[in-house]
Amino acid sequence: EVQLVESGGGLVQPGGSLRLSCAASGFTFSDHYMDWVRQAPGKGLEWVGRITNKPNTYTTQYAASVKGRFTMSRDDSKNSVYLQMNSLKTEDTAVYYCARDWKTSLDVWGQGTTVTVSS
Amino acid sequence: QSALTQPPSASGSPGQSVTISCTGTSSDVGGYNYVSWYQQHPGKAPRLMIYEVTKRPSGVPDRFSGSKSGNTASLTVSGLQAEDEADYYCSSYAGSNNFVFGTGTKVTVL
Repeated sequence: EVQLVESGGGLVQPGGSLRLSCAASGFTFSDHYMDWVRQAPGKGLEWVGRITNKPNTYTTQYAASVKGRFTMSRDDSKNSVYLQMNSLKTEDTAVYYCARDWKTSLDVWGQGTTVTVSS
Repeated sequence: QSALTQPPSASGSPGQSVTISCTGTSSDVGGYNYVSWYQQHPGKAPRLMIYEVTKRPSGVPDRFSGSKSGNTASLTVSGLQAEDEADYYCSSYAGSNNFVFGTGTKVTVL
């Protein structure tokens, strides 16, 4: 079964850091680009960032709202992708989804992990 | 990158059709044939319904169809069913590994 499972969410104070993980199974992880998408409470989806695969030199790209604060990485040997979030703001509070990139769309999604930034 | 513009809500009776628009710019929707549509039920992860403007992934009913004209893409749900009641989001590639989502549309089956 093709599956993505996120972990690492929780409560963090403004200015703090958190690292999210996403474990993939059921497909050849190393072939795919991977993305993170977030959804603030009661709001719409917001694309966070993308990491390409090894043939494309693991290039990353981020939304303007997180650029310089968030960093994506991946470990193909562990079938995992990560999102390091620094200098967190209250507006980063959201459910964070990882998703598999396929034909420039997101065809497999995890169940999401909740990040709450509050003092 | 600004969010793509969708109507906040749309509705139809069972069996009817509903069409949702998604308006962007020549830098995203109008510039690439990489528009996708996602369905999201409350408390659930999004589900891919349409990719590359018009294509349906395996398992998506053919009641769902997509199109594009200029800077505006559309999703049509024909033969509305109760289970189609959900939020729908468009998304477009915006160049240089960037993506943008739409503002979302809540579809109600009357």
